[in-house]
Amino acid sequence: GDSVTQMEGPVTLSEEACLTINCTYTATGYPSLFWYVQYPGEGLQLLLKATKADDKGSNKGFEATYRKETTSFHLEKGSVQVSDSAVYFCALKKNTGTASKLTFGTGTRLQVTL
Amino acid sequence: DSGVTQTPKHLITATGQRVTLRCSPRSGDLSVYWYQQSLDQGLQFLIQYYNGEERAKGNILERFSAQQFPDLHSELNLSSLELGDSALYFCASTSAEEPYEQYFGPGTRLTVT
Repeated sequence: GDSVTQMEGPVTLSEEACLTINCTYTATGYPSLFWYVQYPGEGLQLLLKATKADDKGSNKGFEATYRKETTSFHLEKGSVQVSDSAVYFCALKKNTGTASKLTFGTGTRLQVTL
Repeated sequence: DSGVTQTPKHLITATGQRVTLRCSPRSGDLSVYWYQQSLDQGLQFLIQYYNGEERAKGNILERFSAQQFPDLHSELNLSSLELGDSALYFCASTSAEEPYEQYFGPGTRLTVT
């Protein structure tokens, strides 16, 4: 079945450091890929997405490129802030019309310190 | 604010009891998805409804059931509760058009004691 593998956390960085959170997937067909963020005590928010190979999703300084050849969708940010501290989830969704559940990775906790 | 509402925010109950979690989708969204987030299982898809009909089923226990009403709100019923059912329960809704992006509610935290 479909699956998503994320790097283990927690990831601890100093403010202004570079961030990479690795994500790889296994799926048949051509899924859409997503990064969701969960801030402490809150629900999931869509951070960015890519719907086809070589697409780059970006939002709030975060980027991820859909790499079909390596089945990856790594999340990157050039300079993290304390406010980026959260749990980040990589997810995939098959494009099967109205029945389209998300398959999530285990989540990676990011802690940014001053 | 995603536009998806969930009630209650917190629920504490005892083993063996039954609870109902409620979700109201974004205005105009026809699909509702339920997910469970627990420490040991991560985020898992439970069930999806589209315009009142069950559309897809995931790792949902037989003790759990859901429905979607004509006004499109959905309820997740959890019965014969066990300690291991303690988790965050999220619902999400999507539009009826591509790319069917899912918007999540704030979740209901269930604690079974």
